[in-house]
This record gives sequence, structure tokens and C-alpha cells, in this order.
Amino acid sequence: GESVGLHLPTLSVQEGDNSIINCAYSNSASDYFIWYKQESGKGPQFIIDIRSNMDKRQGQRVTVLLNKTVKHLSLQIAATQPGDSAVYFCAENPGGSNYKLTFGKGTLLTVNP
Amino acid sequence: DAGVIQSPRHEVTEMGQEVTLRCKPISGHDYLFWYRQTMMRGLELLIYFNNNVPIDDSGMPEDRFSAKMPNASFSTLKIQPSEPRDSAVYFCASRAGIWGVSGNTIYFGEGSWLTVV
Repeated sequence: GESVGLHLPTLSVQEGDNSIINCAYSNSASDYFIWYKQESGKGPQFIIDIRSNMDKRQGQRVTVLLNKTVKHLSLQIAATQPGDSAVYFCAENPGGSNYKLTFGKGTLLTVNP
Repeated sequence: DAGVIQSPRHEVTEMGQEVTLRCKPISGHDYLFWYRQTMMRGLELLIYFNNNVPIDDSGMPEDRFSAKMPNASFSTLKIQPSEPRDSAVYFCASRAGIWGVSGNTIYFGEGSWLTVV
């Protein structure tokens, strides 16, 4: 049969606008979440993280929101810049002593000047 | 800090050949991870080490894949024999510290881009 690759969700915004990237995670026992940014040809780069006992955390121009009830994570980027164009991944840790990270499919963010 | 260093950055090899990917983790990090990224499957964990000991290799696809960590500053991922379906980007990553504390997360290298023809 025909191979089907990952079809990344895409988000296109204008420079200066705020961006919101969403992620649904799978494991209700996950206790730690991370957002990564991956630019073309590079490895994933840490942006911000949050533990399950929090529902919001802010960094420089970024905010992560966690809704454990519906197993949803979002990344908000304020005043989006062309350099923010990349694929954004959420990752979850299943909890306990397990140090694995499970990554989502990713969202492609394109910032238009 | 030089970050996680991987080599080679790009490799093209013929089916059946042995491929060895190398990684130098960030100094002081006691966990090392090997991930594979493809369009079909996204980012997958292959294996991870703690203090040079393999902890979980359940993600290693098959016996053709093997990984070693002879010391705290070096790890290899070997594919023998290689097949076209092994074509992917292979990332090495490392971390240290208490899980969940900001900054003590997993840091990735730039990846090794493998093409098997």
C-alpha cells in the first residue's frame, strides 16, 4: 500500500501576532511535560517545561498551559517573530522512575513577515 | 558548553553495510538517549543509558541495532547490516539532575542524517 507520512498540523501567523500551539497527550499518569522547538536541519531545542502539579508556567515570550482534566497542553508565543518558525513538539514523561519522553507529532509554525 | 555532539552529521551508505553513529553527551550528564526521527513515525526513543548502563532498549527495532556506552563521555549506535528502511535522522540526547526541575531536561544533539541506498 501507499506509505503515508505524518501530516503535521500547521499554523500560519503574522509577525507580531500571538501564537497558540495545542497538544493532546495520551497518558493520564504523565507528570512532566516539555515543549521543544525544532528548526529545519537541527535537533529539538528545549523551550519550556511544566510539572503536573501546575497549570501554567511562563518563560520569556512563552507560556505553557496544562489542563489535566482533558489531557491538553498548549504553548503560547507572544509577539511571534520570523525566527519562531519551526516545528513545535510537546513531550510527556509517563511518570514514576521512567525517564522516557513520548513526543507528539509536532506542529509546523510559519511566521509571515 | 559544547552541547551534545554527534558524528557523522550526514552519512550515505549502501544496503548491507555497517553504520556506526557516535555521540558525546554534555559533560556531567548521567543519562544518554538515542532517538530516531522519521516522517512516518516521528520521534521514537530507541534506548537510554544511566551511568553508562543500558536501562531500557525496548525501542530498538531489531537485532541489527545495537548501542554501547563504554564510558561517560561516549556512546555508539550501530546498525549491521543496514537496510533502506533505516534511513532516518538519529538523535543523541543527554540529561542530568532531578526530573522535572526546569533546566534539567533532555538536551538533543544536531542529529546524524542517515541514508541507506
